[in-house]
Amino acid sequence: SQQGEEDPQALSIQEGENATMNCSYKTSINNLQWYRQNSGRGLVHLILIRSNEREKHSGRLRVTLDTSKKSSSLLITASRAADTASYFCATINSGNTPLVFGKGTRLSVIA
Amino acid sequence: NAGVTQTPKFRVLKTGQSMTLLCAQDMNHEYMYWYRQDPGMGLRLIHYSVGEGTTAKGEVPDGYNVSRLKKQNFLLGLESAAPSQTSVYFCASSFSRGNIQYFGAGTRLSVL
Repeated sequence: SQQGEEDPQALSIQEGENATMNCSYKTSINNLQWYRQNSGRGLVHLILIRSNEREKHSGRLRVTLDTSKKSSSLLITASRAADTASYFCATINSGNTPLVFGKGTRLSVIA
Repeated sequence: NAGVTQTPKFRVLKTGQSMTLLCAQDMNHEYMYWYRQDPGMGLRLIHYSVGEGTTAKGEVPDGYNVSRLKKQNFLLGLESAAPSQTSVYFCASSFSRGNIQYFGAGTRLSVL
């Protein structure tokens, strides 16, 4: 069953705007990861944030983690048409279960 | 460096037929995974392996079998395909349980 739930399910913005996607989860985690999936392709890893980290940056991507609220957000700044994709959060807990993926947010960036 | 390679890319089966999907990775990863992706359902884990010779059930294992005879290969079998198994199948691998997963390009399967 999905651990992470992304919000919103779909997001449409203009090129140059910022896009924010949120992920909520239910149980304590060791780390949280964000992945991107272009249409018809496999998932590609974007960022991993550990449970003792609060914020991480990678290029135009900023990820925050609030373990007290069991939530994370992914911010894409100055979006481009090439950012159009589905974005998934995935969580790993301290047990034996593998990474669990959410259902994703579909982002459309309109040129 | 190919990463994770899945074969075939597309396949059409008739109900009741069998087939095997092959996943190969060249990163010396211990962990390998098979997922299915259906519209609106995200990724659901079918089976996974924590090392050569091991397999474990995921969230939706029924109707599938797997084998990991070699570290670099993870096979997914459908013994008697059903229309409900129409989906896109992804293989992934990782160094360890909590590490980054690397995905193949997917296999689009239709069962008529």
